[in-house]
Amino acid sequence: QQQVRQSPQSLTVWEGETAILNCSYEDSTFNYFPWYQQFPGEGPALLISIRSVSDKKEDGRFTIFFNKREKKLSLHITDSQPGDSATYFCAARMSNYNVLYFGSGTKLTVEP
Amino acid sequence: EAAVTQSPRNKVAVTGGKVTLSCNQTNNHNNMYWYRQDTGHGLRLIHYSYGAGSTEKGDIPDGYKASRPSQENFSLILELATPSQTSVYFCASGDTQGANTGQLYFGEGSKLTVL
Repeated sequence: QQQVRQSPQSLTVWEGETAILNCSYEDSTFNYFPWYQQFPGEGPALLISIRSVSDKKEDGRFTIFFNKREKKLSLHITDSQPGDSATYFCAARMSNYNVLYFGSGTKLTVEP
Repeated sequence: EAAVTQSPRNKVAVTGGKVTLSCNQTNNHNNMYWYRQDTGHGLRLIHYSYGAGSTEKGDIPDGYKASRPSQENFSLILELATPSQTSVYFCASGDTQGANTGQLYFGEGSKLTVL
């Protein structure tokens, strides 16, 4: 079964708008949640991450909001730019277990 | 900057043939992983390794074998390739510290087509 779920599958926003990408998970033992960004023809690369002891993590225009009780998190991209157009993967990891479980991804398109 | 190199980048194989995908990392990471990426499924873990000589099964190991002969190299082997194994395969590496921060370094992918 899918341990990590993402929605929407695809999202289009205009330049300057805020894009919101959603993620949920099943296993309450997950305690670390990285987001990866992937451009066509490339491998995924770490964008931003959060631990379950926090409810928010910011890095420039990228912010993760985390709700432990509901097992949900979201990635907000403010002032979206065409260069942000990529596929974004939410992932999850258990403590002391060196394996990442990935969601199915959200393909973001930012129109100029 | 971590460097993970995969070969071949593109491969066309016939059903029933043997395919070996190779991965090399130059950053002395302990852990290495093989994922496959398919539309609608994201990245799914096939095999992983904690160090030379070790291999572990991931979520979808059936039809695949793995080999970790050294710290730098990790191979994925399809003994009898099937069309359902047509996919893009990604190798990744990470060390203990990297694993604790969730940071994996991915290669650029190997596109496999099985006819």
